[in-house]
Amino acid sequence: QVKLQQSGAELVKPGASVKLSCKTSGYTFSTSYMSWFKQIPGQSIEWIGMIYAGDGGTGYNQKFKGKATLTVDTSSSTAYMDLSSLTTEDSAVYFCARPGWDWYFDFWGPGTMVTVSS
Amino acid sequence: DVVLTQTPSTLSATIGQSVSISCRSSQSLLDSAGNTYLYWYLQRPGQSPQLLIYLVSNLGSGVPNRFSGSGSGTDFTLKISGVEAEDLGVYYCMQATHAPWTFGGGTKLELK
Repeated sequence: QVKLQQSGAELVKPGASVKLSCKTSGYTFSTSYMSWFKQIPGQSIEWIGMIYAGDGGTGYNQKFKGKATLTVDTSSSTAYMDLSSLTTEDSAVYFCARPGWDWYFDFWGPGTMVTVSS
Repeated sequence: DVVLTQTPSTLSATIGQSVSISCRSSQSLLDSAGNTYLYWYLQRPGQSPQLLIYLVSNLGSGVPNRFSGSGSGTDFTLKISGVEAEDLGVYYCMQATHAPWTFGGGTKLELK
């Protein structure tokens, strides 16, 4: 069955960077897309961007360009998201999710909580 | 960006009651190929979102048929015909017709 396992919670200082991971299993990662989302606790969800594992091609929400960088490692079926120059506004839960044929997200990771604090 | 406005923001219901949630878009979600990329998700407390409805009215895999979706253009509705305890949480509509993909503000379903 399809599984998305995300890395553990992060506590990082302002100005630092962090790399989140989303390890997948149960489907053909190398010909699939992966999206990432941000959710500040108690608030709605924002789409950050998407990456195609086949060629590493990406599409970003303009709001997150320069903040988030999406990459993949097809040898380990893992997607990554780098978040740079972190501020307190980046404190949130970040989800990875796999889109289906009609761009619905039927499989989600459990989320990674990132806390930015000095 | 497309703004999705959900109403109500909070919904109090008793078990067995039927309820509806509205999602209105600032732009038509019908694309040039005739597709409408409007979805509904439920996020239970402390969990990831789960797909309920895709392409306006199609039930996600394993989703009970008490959930139904309808609408077109800019106005969409999620209906729950007979709320059950497991339905409590926050409901989000999401659109993928226009980049960037956006979510509504959410509707919290709670027990009365």
